Amino acid sequence: GENVEQHPSTLSVQEGDSAVIKCTYSDSASNYFPWYKQELGKRPQLIIDIRSNVGEKKDQRIAVTLNKTAKHFSLHITETQPEDSAVYFCAAYMNRDDKIIFGKGTRLHILP
Amino acid sequence: GAGVSQTPSNKVTEKGKYVELRCDPISGHTALYWYRQSLGQGPEFLIYFQGTGAADDSGLPNDRFFAVRPEGSVSTLKIQRTERGDSAVYLCASSLTHGRGYNEQFFGPGTRLTVL
Repeated sequence: GENVEQHPSTLSVQEGDSAVIKCTYSDSASNYFPWYKQELGKRPQLIIDIRSNVGEKKDQRIAVTLNKTAKHFSLHITETQPEDSAVYFCAAYMNRDDKIIFGKGTRLHILP
Repeated sequence: GAGVSQTPSNKVTEKGKYVELRCDPISGHTALYWYRQSLGQGPEFLIYFQGTGAADDSGLPNDRFFAVRPEGSVSTLKIQRTERGDSAVYLCASSLTHGRGYNEQFFGPGTRLTVL
């Protein structure tokens, strides 16, 4: 089955700097990669996603890159702001299994 | 419109007791998912429904866990003979449909289950 590894588990970034979170997946049949943001005590919410036929996608300060050959994808947040502090989860979806597998999460702290 | 709702928001029970957790999906969403999230971990898949039927229950940890969705809308996750290791946040999500490519899953606020 699919396995998703996420690094780092904790990340502290100075406000205004960039943050990068990296994930790897094991099954080459995975074809969709969403990223979720979960604030303390809140539900996970989709912030950006990428399909396997695209190498990069950007939405304002957030971008995701995908390297299918290496089976890894990354979340990039630029010009970080205090409200970016949260736990971020990557996930991989495989059509064959019809389910998404989540990484263990990265706790992002934006330092003032 | 209303999002996914879950009740109760918190449930404290004693070891060995039976609990039911309820999920109300977004109206019109045919796919419904249950996840378990332990502290410091990502959501772990338990089961999903397409309509009334459990299409994949491979994530249920053992036969103490069971879920139903009798009318294709509200779902109930049932846990028998609870153990301390069952303590976690149980998340429900729904999506417009399932299969034929991925549809965004919308999560509920979760039920925090504590087994003493």
